[in-house]
Amino acid sequence: EAGVAQSPRYKIIEKRQSVAFWCNPISGHATLYWYQQILGQGPKLLIQFQNNGVVDDSQLPKDRFSAERLKGVDSTLKIQPAKLEDSAVYLCASSPRLSGETQYFGPGTRLLVL
Amino acid sequence: AQSVAQPEDQVNVAEGNPLTVKCTYSVSGNPYLFWYVQYPNRGLQFLLKYITGDNLVKGSYGFEAEFNKSQTSFHLKKPSALVSDSALYFCAVRDMGSGAGSYQLTFGKGTKLSVIP
Repeated sequence: EAGVAQSPRYKIIEKRQSVAFWCNPISGHATLYWYQQILGQGPKLLIQFQNNGVVDDSQLPKDRFSAERLKGVDSTLKIQPAKLEDSAVYLCASSPRLSGETQYFGPGTRLLVL
Repeated sequence: AQSVAQPEDQVNVAEGNPLTVKCTYSVSGNPYLFWYVQYPNRGLQFLLKYITGDNLVKGSYGFEAEFNKSQTSFHLKKPSALVSDSALYFCAVRDMGSGAGSYQLTFGKGTKLSVIP
């Protein structure tokens, strides 16, 4: 069974530029999560989807971050404009159900904002 | 809100010795607890979880964890450490999300395990 796929693996941009990350969850997984992991910290949830609907985006900085999962499968997370403090690893995870007892993580995208 | 704490930033252990990575939790109601491992430049990998039942939970790669309700702890253990176990370990608790019927994982800060040959 293929795991969660993410691209790109690494991205370097300058502040005020925009960037987008892509995630393809495990086939059949209805629930998809985006996390931000700052160096030295545990992952922090940004947004949670159930199929193509947003379940929880309470911790997403909506003035600059946006995410979509239009067809209920793959998802895109965008930052526009980026700030220095957005430098982090962005992790995508999926789980079969909304209860999310076990989440399966992708390799992450490491973003550096200069 | 639920939370977990990992009191040690780093744990060093000699290869072949038993290892313990500590985690304490604060929850209302019954806890759903998890351990994940993160190798360099890779995502988190699920190791094991406690939902209910036996206090000793067995997981992947020979790891186990002991749930202790009176001490509100969920320590990760392995009888004999391998150099390849060197990684970052995260304890997590399932928490209610703000969306109806949604749940999220709240992670600790992580503990770096170094197994010395």
